[in-house]
Amino acid sequence: NAGVTQTPKFRILKIGQSMTLQCAQDMNHNYMYWYRQDPGMGLKLIYYSVGAGITDKGEVPNGYNVSRSTTEDFPLRLELAAPSQTSVYFCASKLGQISGANVLTFGAGSRLTVL
Amino acid sequence: AQSVTQLDSQVPVFEEAPVELRCNYSSSVSVYLFWYVQYPNQGLQLLLKYLSGSTLVKGINGFEAEFNKSQTSFHLRKPSVHISDTAEYFCAVSPYGQNFVFGPGTRLSVLP
Repeated sequence: NAGVTQTPKFRILKIGQSMTLQCAQDMNHNYMYWYRQDPGMGLKLIYYSVGAGITDKGEVPNGYNVSRSTTEDFPLRLELAAPSQTSVYFCASKLGQISGANVLTFGAGSRLTVL
Repeated sequence: AQSVTQLDSQVPVFEEAPVELRCNYSSSVSVYLFWYVQYPNQGLQLLLKYLSGSTLVKGINGFEAEFNKSQTSFHLRKPSVHISDTAEYFCAVSPYGQNFVFGPGTRLSVLP
């Protein structure tokens, strides 16, 4: 049982390049999330999905796009990378909204540097 | 809207001493409450959660937290810390199933 798997772990991009951060979970979770973590700022929600085919913006969606074609996968695409997107990105998932199902499981993170 | 405040950005403490990490939240609706721990260069792991029932909840690695509704607080405590507890700790709220809101984190440094 791998949980939430993120790839790549590290990536350096040049300004203006594009890339996709991959996220996959094998727990049959309905809800999936992308956060970014900046020092002293906690985690900010970028995008989330409540099920296959459904996505919605979080707190800081500008410069990013997502898709959810399957329950397992939730890739995050960065278009036209900018230095402000230098951050650590975390994917997370949860089963549902009520009680014990409402617990986030996190991936190990992807560290992105834009130069 | 919800918000989470962690009053201490850094907490240094000597090994075997007690520690309390403070968390206060603001919400107009009832919430679930969580503490997550992040060890260096790793993802976040669930430490403990309050969903309902007893206001004192116990988590992994000897940590516990107490939910105080009147003070809107959910402080994390451990009676005796170890070097291995050195990590960043995040308090989070989720208004009954809605999206999580995280605090800025508290960096706990356990000194020998």
